[in-house]
Parts: sequence; C-alpha cells; structure tokens
Amino acid sequence: DTGVSQDPRHKITKRGQNVTFRCDPISEHNRLYWYRQTLGQGPEFLTYFQNEAQLEKSRLLSDRFSAERPKGSFSTLEIQRTEQGDSAMYLCASSLSGARRYEQYFGPGTRLTVT
Amino acid sequence: DAKTTQPNSMESNEEEPVHLPCNHSTISGTDYIHWYRQLPSQGPEYVIHGLTSNVNNRMASLAIAEDRKSSTLILHRATLRDAAVYYCILRDSGGSNYKLTFGKGTLLTVNP
Repeated sequence: DTGVSQDPRHKITKRGQNVTFRCDPISEHNRLYWYRQTLGQGPEFLTYFQNEAQLEKSRLLSDRFSAERPKGSFSTLEIQRTEQGDSAMYLCASSLSGARRYEQYFGPGTRLTVT
Repeated sequence: DAKTTQPNSMESNEEEPVHLPCNHSTISGTDYIHWYRQLPSQGPEYVIHGLTSNVNNRMASLAIAEDRKSSTLILHRATLRDAAVYYCILRDSGGSNYKLTFGKGTLLTVNP
C-alpha cells in the first residue's frame, strides 16, 4: 500500500495560464475525491468520482475547473485561465466501498500559487 | 451536514492524556461522528468514527454523550507527533453523501 500520491507537489503559475494536477489513489479504492484548502481553513469538497463516473460537483467548481477519471484509476484536475483566488492546496482522497467507505485516505496535496 | 463546534486551540504536555471536545447539538439520528487530523504539511488523516457507542482503536478513543449532542476524542498519551489540527465531522449514514465537510478544527499543541 503506497498511499495516495499527487503530482506535482508544488506549482507556481502566472495568472491566466492553465494547470493540471494528477492524483493516483490507492489501487483498490473505487471512490476518489478532490478538495481545496486555503490557509487557516479546513478542506472544502470539490468533486467526487465512483469509478469513472463523476457523481457530485460542488458549486465551488466553476466552469474553469474540470476533473476526469477516465479509466476509474488516476484522476486529473484542470484549472483553466487561473486566477489569484485559485491559490490553495488541492487535496485528493480515495476510499473503498462498503463498511469502510467512510475512511478517506488523503494524499499530500498539490500547492498552487498563482502570481 | 449538521454543524460542529470545536475550540480553536488546545495545549497538552507530552505523555499526558488529551481530551478534545466537539459539540454537535443539531445531530440527527443517522449522523456518524468522524474525527480526522491534519499534521503540518500533510493531508488529513482518518482517526476514528462512531454512531452511538464509545469506540476505541489503536490511535484514539471516541466517547459519545448519551444524547449524542457532544463527543470527545481522547488521545491516551500525547506525543509530539500528535501535534495537529483535529477535525470533528458529522456525516449522514444514508444516501449518497460521501463528502466530508470540514470546519476549522482544533489546533493541538503538544509541549515536551
């Protein structure tokens, strides 16, 4: 069990550029979540996948944000035309189904800085 | 999800027990109580969860009040590695609500 991994760990970009983050969940986990965390706040839910299906999206996920999980394994989160307000830590988590579905395992996050 | 209230910060000494409180007066009968913690520069980590009865695992114990309007996370012997933000979260056990709704949590400082 190698845990949830995220790449890159840090990203600095200029306003207006597009960025893409990758998340590799724990291999047997069919559920995958994206959260965003700003300084001093708890993580906020962005979106959720069960296998390859995106089942829920937060209102925080504007039209500039898109997430995919094409084969039900890794996921990508893309932000188009980045704004300074997008600067945050982007966290990915995964979980099993069934009795242990409430235990989410988080990755280390990708810290995005928009200049 | 129902709202929880936690102190902003708490301090403890190493090797002493720590009791982290959480109030959730509007909890519904189907809400589970979850605790996660977030160590510095890391993603959150699952600690424990329960519904009505007290729960124990290798990390901590969860004591749930009889009326379920409050709960306490108990770290039996705090270590420096337990310094983290602790989040108390309620989540409905029914339906398809799998997301976690985090508040600001309690920042635990452990003194050597």
